[in-house]
Amino acid sequence: DVKVTQSSRYLVKRTGEKVFLECVQDMDHENMFWYRQDPGLGLRLIYFSYDVKMKEKGDIPEGYSVSREKKERFSLILESASTNQTSMYLCASRSAGQGAAEAFFGQGTRLTVV
Amino acid sequence: SQQGEEDPQALSIQEGENATMNCSYKTSINNLQWYRQNSGRGLVHLILIRSNEREKHSGRLRVTLDTSKKSSSLLITASRAADTASYFCATASYNTDKLIFGTGTRLQVFP
Repeated sequence: DVKVTQSSRYLVKRTGEKVFLECVQDMDHENMFWYRQDPGLGLRLIYFSYDVKMKEKGDIPEGYSVSREKKERFSLILESASTNQTSMYLCASRSAGQGAAEAFFGQGTRLTVV
Repeated sequence: SQQGEEDPQALSIQEGENATMNCSYKTSINNLQWYRQNSGRGLVHLILIRSNEREKHSGRLRVTLDTSKKSSSLLITASRAADTASYFCATASYNTDKLIFGTGTRLQVFP
């Protein structure tokens, strides 16, 4: 059974803290994604990685960075957490190429910044 | 933003009725996909339609694609209470493997 696993289901952090959200996939997918989901705004792409150490900015990269040192792991980093980063964060992975099909999602991390 | 939009934002129907939701997108696409999200969980893939296809069926799902209007629709026939969820469209382009999602439609099906 294919799996995308996010390290935490719920997380509470203080303003100014450095926050790491981890995502691991076991499908040997080239592509991995971080999205944030807010009511009425759908899923917005933060960062996309198409290979180890390779990344592209999405629509809302400000305040975030990412790390992909190994193919199976993609980390989202909030350099200095702020209350407007309180949100649901979703990780996904997908195989590469034009024939590529579905993305597989983790269960989500609901982050609250206080 | 490249994000697409879906309408309606919310839809409430009775069991047995059909549910139609629409998706509009902004760029040229390789394919368009529909996903379902149960409350507060990750998304699950439902169906994919390629840019050279106009209609596709899977069980009670029917998807249409009009690339000239940059729009797609998802029809769920004979809906059930278990279909209650949020539904999202996502587009994949030719020149990138990015997957861009829409704003979603919340579907409530009453027994």
